[in-house]
Amino acid sequence: GVTQSPTHLIKTRGQQVTLRCSSQSGHNTVSWYQQALGQGPQFIFQYYREEENGRGNFPPRFSGLQFPNDSSELNVNALELDDSALYLCASSPRGGMNTEAFFGQGTRLTVV
Amino acid sequence: DQQVKQNSPSLSVQEGRISILNCDYTNSMFDYFLWYKKYPAEGPTFLISISSIKDKNEDGRFTVFLNKSAKHLSLHIVPSQPGDSAVYFCAASDGGGATNKLIFGTGTLLAVQP
Repeated sequence: GVTQSPTHLIKTRGQQVTLRCSSQSGHNTVSWYQQALGQGPQFIFQYYREEENGRGNFPPRFSGLQFPNDSSELNVNALELDDSALYLCASSPRGGMNTEAFFGQGTRLTVV
Repeated sequence: DQQVKQNSPSLSVQEGRISILNCDYTNSMFDYFLWYKKYPAEGPTFLISISSIKDKNEDGRFTVFLNKSAKHLSLHIVPSQPGDSAVYFCAASDGGGATNKLIFGTGTLLAVQP
């Protein structure tokens, strides 16, 4: 399945954070979502073959990387209190555009 | 602008009865719809999906109905079981672009009472 690390993280406002994800075997597309309390997940961006392949309404201080082994990172610079949320990674097979995405358990980020 | 709406924050149902969860959308370009279930401290788990060319899809106890003219879909769970208690998210994709981006509703908390 999809695995994420760490599961919980506490950071101070202004710091930088890196979250990691390992995609499901055979999947080469990874997406990141932010889920604030009481909301549904919101699309941050997607990577395919190590290139960003679409981005939601998030500022440039949210950036990512995808590696040849289909693992991925989400980096957030200059953390703000509102960045406190559950961050979800999802992998899906490329080619089937209308297909389900498989989610990891998430990383709970708290910014203080 | 909330393109996918789940207007019922919560629903309580007796075990064995039918649970009906509703979802409305505004973007007519959406052509693929999904339901996810989420337990606390876990990521969303895929339940069932439907393409816009269909009006019904069934998988065991779960059936999704799509009414394109009303821009409305619903998830039926029959019979409901206590283990179904979770938050249910409706999601939509337009599939027309290069990105398999999902747009989620805010979720409905289902409580199945024994």
